[in-house]
Formats: sequence, structure tokens, C-alpha cells
Amino acid sequence: DTGVSQDPRHKITKRGQNVTFRCDPISEHNRLYWYRQTLGQGPEFLTYFQNEAQLEKSRLLSDRFSAERPKGSFSTLEIQRTEQGDSAMYLCASSPGARETQYFGPGTRLLVL
Amino acid sequence: GNSVTQMEGPVTLSEEAFLTINCTYTATGYPSLFWYVQYPGEGLQLLLKATKADDKGSNKGFEATYRKETTSFHLEKGSVQVSDSAVYFCALRPDSGNTPLVFGKGTRLSVIA
Repeated sequence: DTGVSQDPRHKITKRGQNVTFRCDPISEHNRLYWYRQTLGQGPEFLTYFQNEAQLEKSRLLSDRFSAERPKGSFSTLEIQRTEQGDSAMYLCASSPGARETQYFGPGTRLLVL
Repeated sequence: GNSVTQMEGPVTLSEEAFLTINCTYTATGYPSLFWYVQYPGEGLQLLLKATKADDKGSNKGFEATYRKETTSFHLEKGSVQVSDSAVYFCALRPDSGNTPLVFGKGTRLSVIA
């Protein structure tokens, strides 16, 4: 068990560019979650998957955001036409099942200039 | 809706002092309650949890008791160490419906030698 991994750990981009983040959950965890954490705040839920199905998206997830988990393993989160307000830490978590403990990755810190 | 309120930080303590970080919640039914810790430069780690009223979660000298009557889950440690310096997040998982976590804003703890 190597834990949840995320790539890249840091990303600096210019406003208007597209960015994509990857999350590799713990093996055999069928639930995968994305959260966003801004400075001085707790993580806020964005979306989650059960296997390859995206079951819920929060209102924080604007049309510029899209997430996939095509084979029920790793997931990607894409942000199109980035804005400065997108600057945050993007956290991924996985769990074995719906009501099991969520384990978090180290996060991807995004800075939009 | 569901929400978590934590005491404002930062909290600065001397080594071996007693720690309390207050956490109260608003939720229907019987949510599960968690404390996560975030060390500098790292992702969130589960510290302890409690899934029903009067349960006590404990780990690494930290304890928290699920108090349904006061809707609280205060974190305590009898003797803090410099290595406990981190940001602590209280979180709940709703009793029913969706399962993403709802976090408080976090409390930064600094322990000085």
C-alpha cells in the first residue's frame, strides 16, 4: 500500500491556460474524491467517483472544471481557462467504500498568475 | 446544512502543555466525526475518528469524545511536543445521503520548546 499519490505537486500557470492534475488512489479503493483547499480554509468538496461513475459534483465545480476516472483507477481533474481565483491546493482522497475512512494524497498546489 | 466550527488559531503552547482544540458541528442524525492533521508541506492524515455518540477516538496521545448532547468533538492531548506543530482539521461525514467530508477551517498549533 503506497498511499494516494498526486501529480504534479506544484503547478504555476498563466491565466487562461488549461491545466490537468492526476490522482492515483490506493489500490482497490473504489471511491475517489476531489477537494479544494484555499489558504486558511479547510478542504471543500468538489466531486467524487465510485469506480468510473461520477456520482456528485458540488456547486464549486464550474463548467471550466471536468473530472474523469475512465477505468475506475486513476483520476484526472482538468481546469480550462484558468483564473486567478483557481489558485488553491487540490486534494485527492480515496476510500475502500462509501462509509470508509478517506485517505488523502499530498495535494497539487496550483498558482495562477 | 452540515457544518463544522473550530476554534480560531493560531494556538501557541509550550512543550508539555495541555492542549484543547474545540470543535462543534451541525448535522442531522448521527454523523461520523474525524480529526485530520496536516503537517507542513504534507497532505492530510487521519488522526482519529468516532462513529457514534459517546465513542472516544484516540491516537498518538490525542483523544476526542463524540458528544451528541453538545454536538461537540473537542481534541485533547495531555502533553504536547514540538513535533505536534501542525494544522488540525475537524470534519464530519453525514449520516446519510452523500459521503464527502465537511471540514472546519482548521486550527494551527505551534509548540515551542
